[in-house]
Amino acid sequence: VQLVQSGAEVKKPGASVKVSCKASGYTFTSYGFSWVRQAPGEGLEWMGWISAYNGTTIYAQKFQGRVTMTRDTSTDTAYMELRSLRSDDTAMYYCARDRSGWSSTWGQGTLVTVSS
Amino acid sequence: EIVLTQSPATLSVSPGERATLSCRASQSINRNLAWYQQKPGQAPRLLIYDASTRATGLPARFSGSGSGTEFTLTISSLQSEDFSVYYCQQYNNWPPWTFGQGSKVEIK
Repeated sequence: VQLVQSGAEVKKPGASVKVSCKASGYTFTSYGFSWVRQAPGEGLEWMGWISAYNGTTIYAQKFQGRVTMTRDTSTDTAYMELRSLRSDDTAMYYCARDRSGWSSTWGQGTLVTVSS
Repeated sequence: EIVLTQSPATLSVSPGERATLSCRASQSINRNLAWYQQKPGQAPRLLIYDASTRATGLPARFSGSGSGTEFTLTISSLQSEDFSVYYCQQYNNWPPWTFGQGSKVEIK
């Protein structure tokens, strides 16, 4: 079981970023994905969840209206797009395989830096 | 939103000694709690789910206990690779799932 995320991104304030998470080693539609971020030197923050089976999403209120999570069952890939980026969105973004709330497998992380 | 409070923030322990970490929830979360370990520069690693079930391959020196609002992660005899940061996470009420602020276990 492996989750491989896309590479680091540098964005300007106000821009958008889309992070991908390619799954392998299991049946993609049997699990969901949580997206979790971690600002430098800080703790873990849950952003939302997507069902790989039917695409149902649940977002943390903090990110409602700014985040969109999608998945592509033809390529076993999940995506997280965050819009209207601010400097405090600078963080490592992780995808994690999630079946019942706990995350058994994590991607390696994607560093998103927001800077003018 | 359920708030998880971990204590202590930092625990200084000698190798071979026992470490006990606490996680307190602001309201009952039944047994819907997980523990993760995170080393510098790495993604978190699942240790425990459902409060006390060890993840596949986890050494038996790690154990979890508790229910309701009080939970504990115990490492019975610390090995060098166990010095790390530990997070608890609740998945009883969402959104959002929430994490504790983390507890660092350092070498004494």
